[in-house]
Amino acid sequence: GAVVSQHPSWVICKSGTSVKIECRSLDFQATTMFWYRQFPKQSLMLMATSNEGSKATYEQGVEKDKFLINHASLTLSTLTVTSAHPEDSSFYICSARDSRGGGSYTFGSGTRLTVV
Amino acid sequence: DAKTTQPPSMDCAEGRAANLPCNHSTISGNEYVYWYRQIHSQGPQYIIHGLKNNETNEMASLIITEDRKSSTLILPHATLRDTAVYYCIVRGANFGNEKLTFGTGTRLTIIP
Repeated sequence: GAVVSQHPSWVICKSGTSVKIECRSLDFQATTMFWYRQFPKQSLMLMATSNEGSKATYEQGVEKDKFLINHASLTLSTLTVTSAHPEDSSFYICSARDSRGGGSYTFGSGTRLTVV
Repeated sequence: DAKTTQPPSMDCAEGRAANLPCNHSTISGNEYVYWYRQIHSQGPQYIIHGLKNNETNEMASLIITEDRKSSTLILPHATLRDTAVYYCIVRGANFGNEKLTFGTGTRLTIIP
């Protein structure tokens, strides 16, 4: 079945630094990928929709200058958390849907970000 | 996208069928019903989806009412590994409206 690889699975960084998270579709092409954030004991919150070759579409309240998204190829999207602060500590998850159509969306295994 | 309503939690005995309800009374004609589950600290796992007809796969069955205002996910023989948060999601079919918006889900606990 479709596989989405997310890297790293966890990262600890200092306040003020930037962290990049990668999301790769391993056996399919994805024109569109999605980035979510999840705080403890809460549901997934959609942050943005990443479109290959064009600008990402951000959900209301999500700072586009803080959460930089790049979708340079049909198999890779990256999320960079810039100037990270402790309140950015969260579980970040990406999702992709096969460009050929079909119904299911495949999720990565998530990245646990801790900002100290 | 239509909003979904799910009970916050449910218990089910191991080996029995787990029936998880979902209300989506404002669903429109071209919106799909998706079910995902999330085991602690992992990415959501796809279970099943449907539009109008009931659907079955190796994991579960999805029963959608005739008026499409509600659905039930059935795990036929629940095991301890089925303990997870289950999300019912309604997704638009139009181009540019393909995002999955998660609600609060149902925390299913399988009891030995």
